[in-house]
Amino acid sequence: AQTVTQSQPEMSVQEAETVTLSCTYDTSESDYYLFWYKQPPSRQMILVIRQEAYKQQNATENRFSVNFQKAAKSFSLKISDSQLGDAAMYFCASLMNRDDKIIFGKGTRLHILP
Amino acid sequence: GAVVSQHPSWVICKSGTSVKIECRSLDFQATTMFWYRQFPKQSLMLMATSNEGSKATYEQGVEKDKFLINHASLTLSTLTVTSAHPEDSSFYICSAMPLSGLEFRGYTFGSGTRLTVV
Repeated sequence: AQTVTQSQPEMSVQEAETVTLSCTYDTSESDYYLFWYKQPPSRQMILVIRQEAYKQQNATENRFSVNFQKAAKSFSLKISDSQLGDAAMYFCASLMNRDDKIIFGKGTRLHILP
Repeated sequence: GAVVSQHPSWVICKSGTSVKIECRSLDFQATTMFWYRQFPKQSLMLMATSNEGSKATYEQGVEKDKFLINHASLTLSTLTVTSAHPEDSSFYICSAMPLSGLEFRGYTFGSGTRLTVV
């Protein structure tokens, strides 16, 4: 079964500082994608970053980067220079190519302290 | 590009009535759409996979007779909550997978529908 685990229900970070959100996943598949989605108070799901499992290089998108450890099945998100607009729920998710379903972790609520 | 429109954004209905929620891909075609349910302060739980021109595939524990899904075209999937009860009150979100021609960047999500059954 495909599972995604986020062990940090809430986190806080000072504005302009760096924060890392943790995520682990479990799969027996070799072909899959991993994502981080952001859900602000509007509840619109916004894709933050994605990682293809076959790529060794960690994905980056401006202030957002991931640490993908395939053997350890770990996929953490680092947010640099945190901004007030980064405050939201962050969901880690996985997609197995064999069934195309995106499965989400329980989420981490990120607070940005001014 | 890759915009998904979901309608209505919120709806209040009486217990026992049915409610239809639409999910449209506006600028791409989608053979597959997904329906999720999200309770307050919880994660998105996949309810079903909607396949154009065929029956939906429901996740374990989801009542297919209560949550009717129709995917009649490559741009529209509908979720009908039949004989709604207060426990069906929730936030429903759809997402769509582009058929082809777009760099895969992750599915696009609709803005969600808040259903309140009174």
